Amino acid sequence: KQEVTQIPAALSVPEGENLVLNCSFTDSAIYNLQWFRQDPGKGLTSLLLIQSSQREQTSGRLNASLDKSSGRSTLYIAASQPGDSATYLCAVVSGGYQKVTFGTGTKLQVIP
Amino acid sequence: NAGVTQTPKFRVLKTGQSMTLLCAQDMNHEYMYWYRQDPGMGLRLIHYSVGEGTTAKGEVPDGYNVSRLKKQNFLLGLESAAPSQTSVYFCASSYSIGTTEAFFGQGTRLTVV
Repeated sequence: KQEVTQIPAALSVPEGENLVLNCSFTDSAIYNLQWFRQDPGKGLTSLLLIQSSQREQTSGRLNASLDKSSGRSTLYIAASQPGDSATYLCAVVSGGYQKVTFGTGTKLQVIP
Repeated sequence: NAGVTQTPKFRVLKTGQSMTLLCAQDMNHEYMYWYRQDPGMGLRLIHYSVGEGTTAKGEVPDGYNVSRLKKQNFLLGLESAAPSQTSVYFCASSYSIGTTEAFFGQGTRLTVV
C-alpha cells in the first residue's frame, strides 16, 4: 500500500527566505507526482507535475525534484512571499489501478 | 474557463437525509474523481470514473454512490447521511491519470447533524 508523508506538517519562515518542502512515498513504482497548493476554504491548485521519467520541473519561483529510487520529492520555493502562505500537498499516482495517494500536507506561513 | 465546478458549495443535512453533489467539467476529461478531505487524514478517494458510463470504488466508498451518465458530469450521492460523512468533498478531473495533471473543484462543505 502506497503511503505518502509530508514533513514538516507546518512551517513558518520570514519573507524572502528560500525554503524546501518534503514529500516521501513508500512505493517507488509511481507514474507521476504532483504538487498542489490549497488556500483556506478553497480547492486544490496544481503547481507542478513530474512524470516518473523526469528528475525535476520548474515554474517561476518553484522547482520540484523527484528521486524515485529514494522515494522522495522536494518542492523548492525561492524568495518566499506572504502570498505563498498556504497548505502544500503532494500526490502520487501508482499501482496497477493507477491510484492517487495524497500526503497530509505542509502548512506554510510566510511572515512579512 | 469554468474548469471543474461543484454544486452546492455548502450544505447542512440531518442524519438520514439524502442528497446529491454535482460535479461538472468542461475540459473533455475522461477521468473524474470524488475525494473527501478530513483534518489530519488528507484527501481520500471515494469513487472514480474512467469514462462515461463507468464508475469504480476508491478507498472509502461505503455510504456513497456515484453515476457518470454524461462525460462532463459526475454525481456523488448520499442515500442516508450519517455524522461520519461530515467533511469537505472535492471533485477532480484529468485527461488521463498517468501522464496529465488533475484539476480540482472548489469543494463542498457538508455537515451532517
